[in-house]
Amino acid sequence: NAGVMQNPRHLVRRRGQEARLRCSPVKGHSHVYWYRQLPEEGLKFMVYLQKENIIDESGMPKERFSAEFPKEGPSILRIQQVVRGDSAAYFCASSPRTGGYNEQFFGPGTRLTVL
Amino acid sequence: AQSVTQLDSQVPVFEEAPVELRCNYSSSVSVYLFWYVQYPNQGLQLLLKYLSGSTLVKGINGFEAEFNKSQTSFHLRKPSVHISDTAEYFCAVSLFGNEKLTFGTGTRLTIIP
Repeated sequence: NAGVMQNPRHLVRRRGQEARLRCSPVKGHSHVYWYRQLPEEGLKFMVYLQKENIIDESGMPKERFSAEFPKEGPSILRIQQVVRGDSAAYFCASSPRTGGYNEQFFGPGTRLTVL
Repeated sequence: AQSVTQLDSQVPVFEEAPVELRCNYSSSVSVYLFWYVQYPNQGLQLLLKYLSGSTLVKGINGFEAEFNKSQTSFHLRKPSVHISDTAEYFCAVSLFGNEKLTFGTGTRLTIIP
């Protein structure tokens, strides 16, 4: 019974390159959340997606960041033209969203380092 | 908008001693409350949650928390800690019907042998 999977676990990019982070939710979960954890800080909400829909992107930086959750395949968080300030741990969580309260199950995270 | 304050960034505790990690929240509407644990280089694991009902909530690994509405607090307690409890602990809230989590800045619990 696999949990949330994220890959890669560690990603190193040079300034100006693109970073692509992948998240495979728990089987059967149709809702995905992305959070960012900057060094020495708590997690901050970025975006909430349902398959083929962005539900809430209020935490996403206005430029360079995008997210998708296609009908088939993992959810992708894309960061274009990375800068040093993008260095952080990026966590994905999934939930079944069946009504009432739905627990979020977190993946192990992708640690992005921008040189 | 809701917010979460964890006043203690680091808490050292001797093994087998009790511990309390403090969490206060701010919200104009009712919230759900959570405590998560993060072991080094791992994701977050849910320790316990308060949705409604009894204000004393029991979780995994012997932890419990008490919801105090008048003091807007949700402090985490364990009567006797173990070396394996060394980790970062995050308090979080979400609004009814909106599962977006708002986290505190975390408390690093260090157990001293």
